[in-house]
Amino acid sequence: AQKITQTQPGMFVQEKEAVTLDCTYDTSDQSYGLFWYKQPSSGEMIFLIYQGSYDEQNATEGRYSLNFQKARKSANLVISASQLGDSAMYFCAQGAQKLVFGQGTRLTINP
Amino acid sequence: DSGVTQTPKHLITATGQRVTLRCSPRSGDLSVYWYQQSLDQGLQFLIQYYNGEERAKGNILERFSAQQFPDLHSELNLSSLELGDSALYFCASSPISGTEAFFGQGTRLTVV
Repeated sequence: AQKITQTQPGMFVQEKEAVTLDCTYDTSDQSYGLFWYKQPSSGEMIFLIYQGSYDEQNATEGRYSLNFQKARKSANLVISASQLGDSAMYFCAQGAQKLVFGQGTRLTINP
Repeated sequence: DSGVTQTPKHLITATGQRVTLRCSPRSGDLSVYWYQQSLDQGLQFLIQYYNGEERAKGNILERFSAQQFPDLHSELNLSSLELGDSALYFCASSPISGTEAFFGQGTRLTVV
């Protein structure tokens, strides 16, 4: 069965620092996607970044990049130059048709 | 704005009742997913439809059912509601299965 592990329940980071949110996954699928979503206190789920399992280059979207290490089944999210507005819950997800989500990491950016 | 519209945003209802949650996917997206987010279970996949047909099923209770209509909007029906069904219900859509899925703002269901 698919399983996503986010080992950091909470993280506190100074504004403008880079932050890495950890995610490991377990799947027997050959082809799958890896996703990161942001959930602010308002409750909406905001899509951040996607990586296909056959993509050789790490995905990047603005300040977000996904550090994909397939052999280690790792898909860490890197946020560069963090901002106060980055404070939120962050969820890692993996799947082909349905997405399996981790328990999330609550990121707090301090001024 | 993700382009996925869910109505209503909030719903308060009594135990034993039945409710319908509605989702309009992004223009052009054929795939619709339903998820439930609760404090104890986290985000759980319920069901997926692709172009009107059920494609994948997760931990969806028998009291819950869904469908996708020819215009691609989807409805999630929840019946014989229990207190434990109180949760945030999300709809998401994607052009095809397995690609970026964009979420609606969710329907917060409170069963009293």
